[in-house]
Amino acid sequence: ILNVEQSPQSLHVQEGDSTNFTCSFPSSNFYALHWYRWETAKSPEALFVMTLNGDEKKKGRISATLNTKEGCSYLYIKGSQPEDSATYLCAFIRHSGYALNFGKGTSLLVTP
Amino acid sequence: EAGVTQFPSHSVIEKGQTVTLRCDPISGHDNLYWYRRVMGKEIKFLLHFVKESKQDESGMPNNRFLAERTGGTYSTLKVQPAELEDSGVYFCASSQSRGGEQFFGPGTRLTVL
Repeated sequence: ILNVEQSPQSLHVQEGDSTNFTCSFPSSNFYALHWYRWETAKSPEALFVMTLNGDEKKKGRISATLNTKEGCSYLYIKGSQPEDSATYLCAFIRHSGYALNFGKGTSLLVTP
Repeated sequence: EAGVTQFPSHSVIEKGQTVTLRCDPISGHDNLYWYRRVMGKEIKFLLHFVKESKQDESGMPNNRFLAERTGGTYSTLKVQPAELEDSGVYFCASSQSRGGEQFFGPGTRLTVL
């Protein structure tokens, strides 16, 4: 894999459902993996920054894992709420640079 | 603490005109980044400043784009002359350290007609 790939592209769930998204990235030359939450017309907001293989981070109902050997990260949302509706972006930083390399994102819609 | 601010929030210009976007990073953040999202595509890196120096400008599309960060504080991104394909949302971000959280501004939505 050469760039960041996120799946699914979009997701529609009911309030209370748990869900997860996948981010695949190049496993070589890895430095850091970021997850962002972005609502249209607002600033993308950082959720997690992960650097070590096996990292697991949690913020409220949202958690993320990192596997640098296989080049994948998963974002989990437990008990989705309508306010979780947003686009979730994954981005990695190569060891040779500072720039975030983004995927296209997963658009989540949570309906009551 | 004030976040990253960008001005203007929207700009509509005609092809061939010039537009200048401004970004004010979080105070004390040496690293400043410009990104762009064209509709339907992923957010793409344009360039990175460390203080007033351009560290990496590998993402700049062509020489119609000029970024500056005089004095190492705010930054401007000028597009001259603008083309239709320059339309998109231009984001600025800043960070204290490499690999650390990048704080994003709300973006400037540029429409070139």
